[in-house]
Amino acid sequence: DAMVIQNPRYQVTQFGKPVTLSCSQTLNHNVMYWYQQKSSQAPKLLFHYYDKDFNNEADTPDNFQSRRPNTSFCFLDIRSPGLGDAAMYLCATSRISYGQGNQPQHFGDGTRLSIL
Amino acid sequence: GNSVTQMEGPVTLSEEAFLTINCTYTATGYPSLFWYVQYPGEGLQLLLKATKADDKGSNKGFEATYRKETTSFHLEKGSVQVSDSAVYFCALSPYGGATNKLIFGTGTLLAVQP
Repeated sequence: DAMVIQNPRYQVTQFGKPVTLSCSQTLNHNVMYWYQQKSSQAPKLLFHYYDKDFNNEADTPDNFQSRRPNTSFCFLDIRSPGLGDAAMYLCATSRISYGQGNQPQHFGDGTRLSIL
Repeated sequence: GNSVTQMEGPVTLSEEAFLTINCTYTATGYPSLFWYVQYPGEGLQLLLKATKADDKGSNKGFEATYRKETTSFHLEKGSVQVSDSAVYFCALSPYGGATNKLIFGTGTLLAVQP
């Protein structure tokens, strides 16, 4: 089955130690998204790629960065994780909707990040 | 601006009860509307969608109708099961965006008891 795969499912890092989360997709979708989800909250969009074009949300901290080396892979880099960055990080993909906004997003199972 | 308002949870029901989770939205133009479900420890799964007024989305016994006159997209199921216990998110995607950005409601936790 075509899908969105996130690795690892659980990641533990130390305060201030850089960490990278990865996402791959077999759907061949043009758009990839990264979300942060804290307990009992809705996912919060950090940024997305439309092909190679990077689009940052206005309130995403500079500590969060992303790379998309090709269509299939996208990475989330947290340069200096703080305790407040402990959360579930979700990757999603979608087709382009040509202005209609009607294509659903397909989510991976997420990476739960813990900060020691 | 665009926003989604969902009923507060948790919603606790007995097995085979009727479910309604209310969702209303504010948006310009003609957004697409979605319900996503999140089981514990997992990502979000698309449950159903509707892309224009009066469309009815349905899947796995769940239904929701896009009501433009009341700006609503309420989720219903006639007979819930314990396996339906999860968090349900209502979301909209504004018309005119190529990249399908989602605006989520706060989510509603459903707990179904045997």
